[in-house]
Amino acid sequence: AQSVTQLDSQVPVFEEAPVELRCNYSSSVSVYLFWYVQYPNQGLQLLLKYLSGSTLVESINGFEAEFNKSQTSFHLRKPSVHISDTAEYFCAVSDQSNYGGSQGNLIFGKGTKLSVKP
Amino acid sequence: DARVTQTPRHKVTEMGQEVTMRCQPILGHNTVFWYRQTMMQGLELLAYFRNRAPLDDSGMPKDRFSAEMPDATLATLKIQPSEPRDSAVYFCASGSLVGNTIYFGEGSWLTVV
Repeated sequence: AQSVTQLDSQVPVFEEAPVELRCNYSSSVSVYLFWYVQYPNQGLQLLLKYLSGSTLVESINGFEAEFNKSQTSFHLRKPSVHISDTAEYFCAVSDQSNYGGSQGNLIFGKGTKLSVKP
Repeated sequence: DARVTQTPRHKVTEMGQEVTMRCQPILGHNTVFWYRQTMMQGLELLAYFRNRAPLDDSGMPKDRFSAEMPDATLATLKIQPSEPRDSAVYFCASGSLVGNTIYFGEGSWLTVV
């Protein structure tokens, strides 16, 4: 079984400051890793994912995350945040061995609320 | 732009009433998930289907919840009878073996009074 820990429930930052949202996972098998973003009163949108290959993955809006197998981490970073990045961010893990792909159950962390202040 | 469609978006009902939530997965997706989101528990998987067959519904209270896929374009989640503790946002999501990505609907916001 897998589990995901997001260490910070809330992260307040000022606009244009860097931010890191932490995510650690636990699993006895190989996993796929995801970050989803939820804007107020909306559903979850995929931000980025790690399936294989380069351990550094990027999103189109400036976020990046690095898969660190030895530390079982997948922290999300952005060098300069905008007001529009205010949202809740969820880290998720999926068992690679489940039916040959990531279409098994996604296990989510509790979420981190990012609040960007002017 | 393909997306997962959920109805109703908002529902307020009285305790004891039956509630049915519906989901239209993205065309061609063969895996459908139901998640529930609350402040206390976060996102919890209730059930999921592959090729319309239920694979895991261990997260769902069996006495009052039921999930079905009558056909490939419709998934339903029913609560009967509803209780105040069922108040939550219920998300449907769908995915396929191609792309390894799961897409979420906008959610059904349920309030049981």
